[in-house]
Amino acid sequence: DQQVKQNSPSLSVQEGRISILNCDYTNSMFDYFLWYKKYPAEGPTFLISISSIKDKNEDGRFTVFLNKSAKHLSLHIVPSQPGDSAVYFCAAITPGQLTFGSGTQLTVLP
Amino acid sequence: NAGVTQTPKFQVLKTGQSMTLQCAQDMNHEYMSWYRQDPGMGLRLIHYSVGAGITDQGEVPNGYNVSRSTTEDFPLRLLSAAPSQTSVYFCASRDRQLDGANVLTFGAGSRLTVL
Repeated sequence: DQQVKQNSPSLSVQEGRISILNCDYTNSMFDYFLWYKKYPAEGPTFLISISSIKDKNEDGRFTVFLNKSAKHLSLHIVPSQPGDSAVYFCAAITPGQLTFGSGTQLTVLP
Repeated sequence: NAGVTQTPKFQVLKTGQSMTLQCAQDMNHEYMSWYRQDPGMGLRLIHYSVGAGITDQGEVPNGYNVSRSTTEDFPLRLLSAAPSQTSVYFCASRDRQLDGANVLTFGAGSRLTVL
């Protein structure tokens, strides 16, 4: 049973517009949530995280929102750039365990 | 800093062959782990280690062995390769405590094909 789900395998967005990537989870014990970004032929790299006690965290063009009642988090990228085209993984932490979602391929069209 | 280094980047094996994927990190991280990435499955934990001499199983350990004789190295062994082990393998490391600020650093990956 997948505890972290990314239901959209792919997303296409026009350059300059907002990209919204979604992630749902089932385990209410998760205390941190993270987003990783992965380019082809490279390993995933950490992008942004949020604690379960917060509902928003912002870092430049990237903002993560957490809705605990809905067990849902989202990553907003504004404005989207062609260099943002990558696979984005959400992940969640319980004590000692990190669980990844299946990833969403974001394509930003010039 | 090289970070996490994986070798080889690509490997083709025949069913039943054995091989070792190498992983080395130069960040003095206590925790090291191996993941596999398959389409639609995300990253799944194979084995991990919290320090030299200590290893444990992750979500999908069958068919793989690991050892941790030094802090720097964490090789992954396939004793008898099967087509189901065709995947991209990632090694990752971090400091001991897992939290939102202490995140995993990944290697560039090793693509393995088993015929």
